[in-house]
Amino acid sequence: GAGVSQSPSNKVTEKGKDVELRCDPISGHTALYWYRQSLGQGLEFLIYFQGNSAPDKSGLPSDRFSAERTGGSVSTLTIQRTQQEDSAVYLCASSSHGAQHFGDGTRLSIL
Amino acid sequence: RKEVEQDPGPFNVPEGATVAFNCTYSNSASQSFFWYRQDCRKEPKLLMSVYSSGNEDGRFTAQLNRASQYISLLIRDSKLSDSATYLCVVERGGSTLGRLYFGRGTQLTVWP
Repeated sequence: GAGVSQSPSNKVTEKGKDVELRCDPISGHTALYWYRQSLGQGLEFLIYFQGNSAPDKSGLPSDRFSAERTGGSVSTLTIQRTQQEDSAVYLCASSSHGAQHFGDGTRLSIL
Repeated sequence: RKEVEQDPGPFNVPEGATVAFNCTYSNSASQSFFWYRQDCRKEPKLLMSVYSSGNEDGRFTAQLNRASQYISLLIRDSKLSDSATYLCVVERGGSTLGRLYFGRGTQLTVWP
């Protein structure tokens, strides 16, 4: 597609459940990033992929968070045993050289 | 100290006003700089890159001062549609090349 595509756009789930968020980057973009943004807050970096490898995982808040990328394209962010503080908008971005292009995000709500 | 610091505002200005936003960054190894714009409940979108020589795009002018580790954005002749949050963004080089560091944003409201 023309832009970064994320799914689902909204996800409501119960505390303790696992969730999987998907990001489909712009075709040909080698770098892929995950961020999250809580209401009224700035963007919080989570993880960065160059191709299929993740040179920087330093932003993952706990071991309940993991991400993978296969085929140098689609990435999934998995949150296990969700907690209420995980509620946020999860944004994915991709880039080739220079600026990043963001998807619309997944709005995650943990009840 | 945060990687990127911005005055959160809010800035409330009338249409036609000139408004300036400032930003400082802490890592002298930073090598690329950007301003992004984020509308309420929307994703961030690139507004413009910032170059050492300064650059202009229509009503928007960006400046970079590497010695002071300072970035600015000037908006002339403000429009209602300029109302948004403006994010100062810095990319480091070296092993963290590609990772962007976002400021918390400066909120701008332009009123009629």
